[in-house]
Amino acid sequence: DQQVKQNSPSLSVQEGRISILNCDYTNSMFDYFLWYKKYPAEGPTFLISISSIKDKNEDGRFTVFLNKSAKHLSLHIVPSQPGDSAVYFCAASENQFYFGTGTSLTVIP
Amino acid sequence: GAGVSQSPRYKVAKRGQDVALRCDPISGHVSLFWYQQALGQGPEFLTYFQNEAQLDKSGLPSDRFFAERPEGSVSTLKIQRTQQEDSAVYLCASSLGQTPRYGYTFGSGTRLTVV
Repeated sequence: DQQVKQNSPSLSVQEGRISILNCDYTNSMFDYFLWYKKYPAEGPTFLISISSIKDKNEDGRFTVFLNKSAKHLSLHIVPSQPGDSAVYFCAASENQFYFGTGTSLTVIP
Repeated sequence: GAGVSQSPRYKVAKRGQDVALRCDPISGHVSLFWYQQALGQGPEFLTYFQNEAQLDKSGLPSDRFFAERPEGSVSTLKIQRTQQEDSAVYLCASSLGQTPRYGYTFGSGTRLTVV
């Protein structure tokens, strides 16, 4: 059973606008969350993380929001750039990480 | 090396053949993980090593899958009598810390195709 879900398989955004990628999880014991970015033929690369004791973490253009009561995680990218086009995976951890199925982001120049 | 290295990058195996996939983690990384990523899916956990000890193998799909890390550095994932459903990208990741909380550094993966 999928414990981490990304319900949008794809997203297209105009360059300069905000990209919002969403992730839902079912296990309330998860206490650490990450976002990974993946280009074709490469392994996922770490992007940003958040601990369950926080509700927001910001790193440059990337901000991750955590809503524990809703078991919902989101990644905001602003402003979006064409180089951000990739597949984004969210992952949640209790002892090891469980990944969502990914959202393919296309930023249109 | 600077990153996690996996070999081979691509492997085509005939059904029933045994395969061995290699992972060279980042030097000094204590934790090593194997994940299986089927087409259109996210990575799914297979097994976890802390140094040479295999602490969790709950994700291995069958007893045809076997992983080892005898000296606490290089790891090998072996699949015996490969089946078509084994076709996937096998990702290795390593982490400096002893728990996954530190996040992983992934290799580029080995794409296994069973024909």
